Amino acid sequence: EVQLVESGGGLVKPGGSLRLSCAASGFTFSRYSMNWVRQAPGKGLEWVSCISSGSMYIYYADSVKGRFTISRDNTKSSLYLQMNSLRAEDTAVYYCARLTAMESFDYWGQGTLITVSS
Amino acid sequence: EIVLTQSPGTLSLSPGERATLSCRASQSVSSSYLAWYQHKPGQAPRLLIHGASSRATGIPDRFSGSGSGTDFTLTISRLEPEDFAVYYCQQYGSSPMYIFGQGTKLEIK
Repeated sequence: EVQLVESGGGLVKPGGSLRLSCAASGFTFSRYSMNWVRQAPGKGLEWVSCISSGSMYIYYADSVKGRFTISRDNTKSSLYLQMNSLRAEDTAVYYCARLTAMESFDYWGQGTLITVSS
Repeated sequence: EIVLTQSPGTLSLSPGERATLSCRASQSVSSSYLAWYQHKPGQAPRLLIHGASSRATGIPDRFSGSGSGTDFTLTISRLEPEDFAVYYCQQYGSSPMYIFGQGTKLEIK
C-alpha cells in the first residue's frame, strides 16, 4: 500500500524557517517525481514545487521561488521542503504528492499544517 | 499562463441526481494532462480522472470525464452520499508547472 506521511508542520513567526518531511512507503520512491502542493485556509489547491526522481530537475511556483528548497533522499524514501523567509500567506496545509507519467498526482499524504503568525 | 475556471462555484444536488462540473481553460490545453480530484475536509485529495477521461485505479464508474481543447467536464451519474466534496481540475502547464482550478463545491441539497 502506498503511503505518504508528512511531518514538520507547526507555528512559526514571519521571517522564520521550517523544514517539512514526507516519508514514503509502499512503492519504489526513487522512480517517481514528487511534489509539494498546499491549501491555504478557505482556498483551493496550489502547486508549490516538483523534484524529479533523481533530483536533476527542480521547479517552483513563483510565489515560493528563492525562499523554498525542495530536496529528496532516495536512500531514505523521503521528500523535504525547506521553507525560509516565511510569510503569513504561506499559512496552509502542505501535502506531498506522487506524480504520474500523465502529469497528475495519484497519491497524496494527509498534509501538515503550517501557520505563519506573530 | 493558463488559467482553469471551474463552474459552478457551488452545486446543490440530492443523492441519486446527476452532477455535471465544468472546467474551462484560458487557452487550448492537452487533454492528455487534464485531471480531476475529489477533496474532502481533513482528507488527502483523491485522483479521480486523468487524461481527461480515464478513471484512476479504484474509481467507481459513476465518475466520468470528457472534453478537449478548452472545455472539460466531470460527470457523476448518480450521486452517492460520499460524493459530496470539493472537486478540482488540474492541468500540466509551463509556468506554473501544475495548475488547479479554483474548485467546485458539491453540496447536499
